[in-house]
Amino acid sequence: GAVVSQHPSRVICKSGTSVKIECRSLDFQATTMFWYRQFPKQSLMLMATSNEGSKATYEQGVEKDKFLINHASLTLSTLTVTSAHPEDSSFYICSATRSGTGFKNIQYFGAGTRLSVL
Amino acid sequence: SQQGEEDPQALSIQEGENATMNCSYKTSINNLQWYRQNSGRGLVHLILIRSNEREKHSGRLRVTLDTSKKSSSLLITASRAADTASYFCATVPGDSSYKLIFGSGTRLLVRP
Repeated sequence: GAVVSQHPSRVICKSGTSVKIECRSLDFQATTMFWYRQFPKQSLMLMATSNEGSKATYEQGVEKDKFLINHASLTLSTLTVTSAHPEDSSFYICSATRSGTGFKNIQYFGAGTRLSVL
Repeated sequence: SQQGEEDPQALSIQEGENATMNCSYKTSINNLQWYRQNSGRGLVHLILIRSNEREKHSGRLRVTLDTSKKSSSLLITASRAADTASYFCATVPGDSSYKLIFGSGTRLLVRP
């Protein structure tokens, strides 16, 4: 149980286009979803936290108009990189926490999306 | 912001040997977790240790926590080539947020 699906796994786009990444919890309701960015051989940097039905909370330094997050249901969150530029190229990973005692601190991760902006 | 530091940054061992990774953090925590990441993939939760626990075991994994030194260690015994991956510690702050603050990670290579 606790499977998180992230799609697409890889995307290549031209500079100036927008890219949408989906994150779905397949067999549980996600209380909270998180979006991370990871540079090669580095750790995960939290970009934003989202709860279903409310606005995402962005970390300091993350442009909310650049990285649009929509958490429309308890099983789906999307991250849209608007007007992507080469410096946005990175590995983006989502995660989700389950409701229920004992689960809330464990995050279940998607497989990640490698974004390459030409 | 990233608060944890891990050492070593990279570790290469022979199959069958034990691997030890260390993690240090800066602020008070609710719990500390270890995750594994295979190259180019998402993370998989390995083990969680609460702030009032000192040691925890799960299969070939042994985790220790020393809150006075703000440090933790992950021991993988009898390593296998399939253990090759990056290992990250992550702390949940004591302010009861659900955020995970990740360490810098240790890249483990287990040679067959």
